[in-house]
Amino acid sequence: QQQVKQSPQSLIVQKGGISIINCAYENTAFDYFPWYQQFPGKGPALLIAIRPDVSEKKEGRFTISFNKSAKQFSLHIMDSQPGDSATYFCAASGTSYDKVIFGPGTSLSVIP
Amino acid sequence: DGGITQSPKYLFRKEGQNVTLSCEQNLNHDAMYWYRQDPGQGLRLIYYSQIVNDFQKGDIAEGYSVSREKKESFPLTVTSAQKNPTAFYLCASSILAGRNTEAFFGQGTRLTVV
Repeated sequence: QQQVKQSPQSLIVQKGGISIINCAYENTAFDYFPWYQQFPGKGPALLIAIRPDVSEKKEGRFTISFNKSAKQFSLHIMDSQPGDSATYFCAASGTSYDKVIFGPGTSLSVIP
Repeated sequence: DGGITQSPKYLFRKEGQNVTLSCEQNLNHDAMYWYRQDPGQGLRLIYYSQIVNDFQKGDIAEGYSVSREKKESFPLTVTSAQKNPTAFYLCASSILAGRNTEAFFGQGTRLTVV
């Protein structure tokens, strides 16, 4: 019940296209959902985060959509660029948890 | 600059040796974590600590040990009992342990057994 599921495992998108990564959770006690971006050989870095009282949050080309009833949330990368090629992790945490739960990650490749 | 510092960046170990990976943070965060990442894989939690002098096992604690004697430091020892220690190790910290907060990561230590 503490799992966070993430799909797809890998994604190839053409430059200028939209990249979409989906995550789902079971436990309704989760109430904070950050996304991380990791480049090869580096540590993950916080990209954007959302709370369940908001259905959408946008920061530049990155948008999180949140569907509380379906217990799903997704990351949309608009106008994808080769520099966006990285591994993306969704995550979940909550007031009753003592750690952040990470999804398994999505490897994104944006091709010219 | 506030942040998390992991050292060394690269570490080579002979089989049968213990090695210690350093993690220091100056963010005044209470919680600290250690993750293991294998090529093309996700983040697996080794140990985490919510407060000084206290820590809990994560999903893959066997063959590892930690200490939390100071708030800013959370070293990880990879013991000879860890059968497959070659991996990328990531340290992270957060203001509170998982509660509505994000984790901030260091740049990692790549450990190779030779």
